[in-house]
Amino acid sequence: NAGVMQNPRHLVRRRGQEARLRCSPMKGHSHVYWYRQLPEEGLKFMVYLQKENIIDESGMPKERFSAEFPKEGPSILRIQQVVRGDSAAYFCASSPSGTRSYEQYFGPGTRLTVT
Amino acid sequence: GNSVTQMEGPVTLSEEAFLTINCTYTATGYPSLFWYVQYPGEGLQLLLKATKADDKGSNKGFEATYRKETTSFHLEKGSVQVSDSAVYFCALSDSGGSNYKLTFGKGTLLTVNP
Repeated sequence: NAGVMQNPRHLVRRRGQEARLRCSPMKGHSHVYWYRQLPEEGLKFMVYLQKENIIDESGMPKERFSAEFPKEGPSILRIQQVVRGDSAAYFCASSPSGTRSYEQYFGPGTRLTVT
Repeated sequence: GNSVTQMEGPVTLSEEAFLTINCTYTATGYPSLFWYVQYPGEGLQLLLKATKADDKGSNKGFEATYRKETTSFHLEKGSVQVSDSAVYFCALSDSGGSNYKLTFGKGTLLTVNP
């Protein structure tokens, strides 16, 4: 399957722990986007990354959240000291280039539950 | 800011029925409009798109027309199948240089019964 891969699919963390969500883009794609879907809401843009660069993080909460897309390996969304309000579905998407970056291919999502 | 409002679900139809899922938007400039579909256990897939006013996007029997005057992009299909059961998301992209930033509606769950 050459689609966008996300793992884990489900993640349970206690308040105060760290959550690490991984995303492997489609083969040949160098642009990665993270979205969050809170309960009863639509997906909301969080961050746009290219290899080793954060292009736009305007949708990221200012504290506790960070993202990276290293030269090798998957993109990582990291949430430190999780709180109950972080419980949501986190979707990763990828695109092949900047000119048609609105055509994004999505992964199945990671459902984070904070207890 | 930009926003998308789509029909509340769930929607339940019998096979071969006509489908409409309403979608309206608020945006500055000239966004592109999309419908995404999410089948159970899978990621969102782009179903169709329209990039300018009066464009009609179509795919797999689904279609939607970009109506700037009513700021709408309603999804329609003439005869649904059981395999169309999924969650449908209406979305738009920012205009200009940040067109990678998609804004989604809450999604509409469609169930088609045989």
